[in-house]
Amino acid sequence: QKEVEQNSGPLSVPEGAIASLNCTYSDRGSQSFFWYRQYSGKSPELIMFIYSNGDKEDGRFTAQLNKASQYVSLLIRDSQPSDSATYLCAVMPAAGNKLTFGGGTRVLVKP
Amino acid sequence: EAGVVQSPRYKIIEKKQPVAFWCNPISGHNTLYWYRQNLGQGPELLIRYENEEAVDDSQLPKDRFSAERLKGVDSTLKIQPAELGDSAVYLCASSLGTTGANVLTFGAGSRLTVL
Repeated sequence: QKEVEQNSGPLSVPEGAIASLNCTYSDRGSQSFFWYRQYSGKSPELIMFIYSNGDKEDGRFTAQLNKASQYVSLLIRDSQPSDSATYLCAVMPAAGNKLTFGGGTRVLVKP
Repeated sequence: EAGVVQSPRYKIIEKKQPVAFWCNPISGHNTLYWYRQNLGQGPELLIRYENEEAVDDSQLPKDRFSAERLKGVDSTLKIQPAELGDSAVYLCASSLGTTGANVLTFGAGSRLTVL
């Protein structure tokens, strides 16, 4: 079992719709959870992080964390073609600074 | 503020040749990471430094890969000899290394092609 798992996609959504991405993790001791966006040929850039159960909103992005079920999700509201990218989920334990990534979900927003 | 700087951006070499990548982290960032990213996959950690100490190198193929971080600032990652399977993007990242949400900032990456 991989430490961090994501559906590879592609997740195809029409412009203006909500894109929903999921991520599960195996280490119950995980403390911090990150979503990075990666455009083709570019390096990952941070969208947002979350470390408390519940929802965290930042503009059109909402991260949701459920530690009991060991999953974290990302919602992209009012999806735009510029949101087309690969979204990487990453997890960090309570002790130490090791950041483990999932394989990424490719999102395609169609005009 | 300058971000994480990596060089070279691209490198094409023949198999069995050596190659080295350089990374300059964000000023004041104590933690430095080297990741390898294969096409269509997420980044995989090769080595992590806390200041000048390598604290996690369990995924570094030590028979051919080596890394150093002199004076706890710049870092180099070396491959000798390179193999075809080493073709990937090598990403350097740095962070403050504090507890809580320890955010990593990535450099542009070094794309290696081994022929």
